[in-house]
Amino acid sequence: EPEVTQTPSHQVTQMGQEVILRCVPISNHLYFYWYRQILGQKVEFLVSFYNNEISEKSEIFDDQFSVERPDGSNFTLKIRSTKLEDSAMYFCASSEETSTEAFFGQGTRLTVV
Amino acid sequence: GESVGLHLPTLSVQEGDNSIINCAYSNSASDYFIWYKQESGKGPQFIIDIRSNMDKRQGQRVTVLLNKTVKHLSLQIAATQPGDSAVYFCAESPYNQGGKLIFGQGTELSVKP
Repeated sequence: EPEVTQTPSHQVTQMGQEVILRCVPISNHLYFYWYRQILGQKVEFLVSFYNNEISEKSEIFDDQFSVERPDGSNFTLKIRSTKLEDSAMYFCASSEETSTEAFFGQGTRLTVV
Repeated sequence: GESVGLHLPTLSVQEGDNSIINCAYSNSASDYFIWYKQESGKGPQFIIDIRSNMDKRQGQRVTVLLNKTVKHLSLQIAATQPGDSAVYFCAESPYNQGGKLIFGQGTELSVKP
């Protein structure tokens, strides 16, 4: 069964450092997303991406965040200067269309120290 | 503002009983709704979805009911099993917002053998 894969599974970084979280969406999907989940809280939308551009983003997704699809298979989330409050699980998801099932990866646990 | 909330943070049921998990949403523009199951340390896993032009949809052991009049969504799990123990999130997708999902707070379902 096709799945969304994310690497690494756990990333520890020092405050102020840049991190790149990587995702390989399902191959025939056209819409890509990043979500985050702070421990014990709900899943929060960060950004959606379609046709090589951001189609929607949340207030959380400020200038410190960026997304990129550097090639035909990867989808990355970059945080330029990490803060302690960026510590969370980050989930990548993809879907064939909007208003269809979004498949989630297993997540990357980001710990900022 | 936009929000999707759950009435009960925890639900404990006996194995074999039916479970009902409720959800309230606030965005009238949402036209697509999904229930996800999340096990500890994993990403959200799709259970069932429903579009706004329907009021009921059934899957294997699960049924989703949508009441647009009161903006209420529910998930019914028949013959609940220990493997159903997890956190359940409802999510809504507002029309024409890039496929973003707004998640509720989550209900933790605990199934007693």
